[in-house]
Amino acid sequence: DQQVKQNSPSLSVQEGRISILNCDYTNSMFDYFLWYKKYPAEGPTFLISISSIKDKNEDGRFTVFLNKSAKHLSLHIVPSQPGDSAVYFCAASATAAGGGNKLTFGTGTQLKVEL
Amino acid sequence: NAGVTQTPKFQVLKTGQSMTLQCAQDMNHNSMYWYRQDPGMGLRLIYYSASEGTTDKGEVPNGYNVSRLNKREFSLRLESAAPSQTSVYFCASRDRGAGNTIYFGEGSWLTVV
Repeated sequence: DQQVKQNSPSLSVQEGRISILNCDYTNSMFDYFLWYKKYPAEGPTFLISISSIKDKNEDGRFTVFLNKSAKHLSLHIVPSQPGDSAVYFCAASATAAGGGNKLTFGTGTQLKVEL
Repeated sequence: NAGVTQTPKFQVLKTGQSMTLQCAQDMNHNSMYWYRQDPGMGLRLIYYSASEGTTDKGEVPNGYNVSRLNKREFSLRLESAAPSQTSVYFCASRDRGAGNTIYFGEGSWLTVV
């Protein structure tokens, strides 16, 4: 049972445009969400996070939006750059329920930013 | 900054052989993790250690054992490797502050033939 779902395996965007990566979750106990970026042959690196008490968190070109009622979050990258081409993983944890030690990951979305 | 270091980076095993993946972190983190990544499956938690001296099963623990040797080191052992264990393995550690962010090593590519 996939508790964190990224239904788009790949996304292609032109340089300078907005990239929107989506993530859905089913576990209502999840209260902390993160996005990780992964380049080939490297480990995932932390990008941005959001707590369930917020609906938006912004860090430079990256913004994460959380819609708790829909159990949906999205990552916006504006403007997209070729260096953003990577696999993006959505992750979630149930910290208030004592599950803060475990992150559940989605299957990832391969973003390609084209010139 | 070394961060999370794991060895070996690449390994080919024959079915039935055993091996240990080593992991060390220099960030003084309490929690450490082993994940595996497979195509179309994302990252799945094998085992984790919330603190020195404790270990717990994750989502896919079968066929693996772990040892939290001290606060810095967390090893993953395959006692009798199977082709289904062909995967990329990532060790990670957790910063209890800063929102539970987990930091990953660079990965170990394991092929079981």
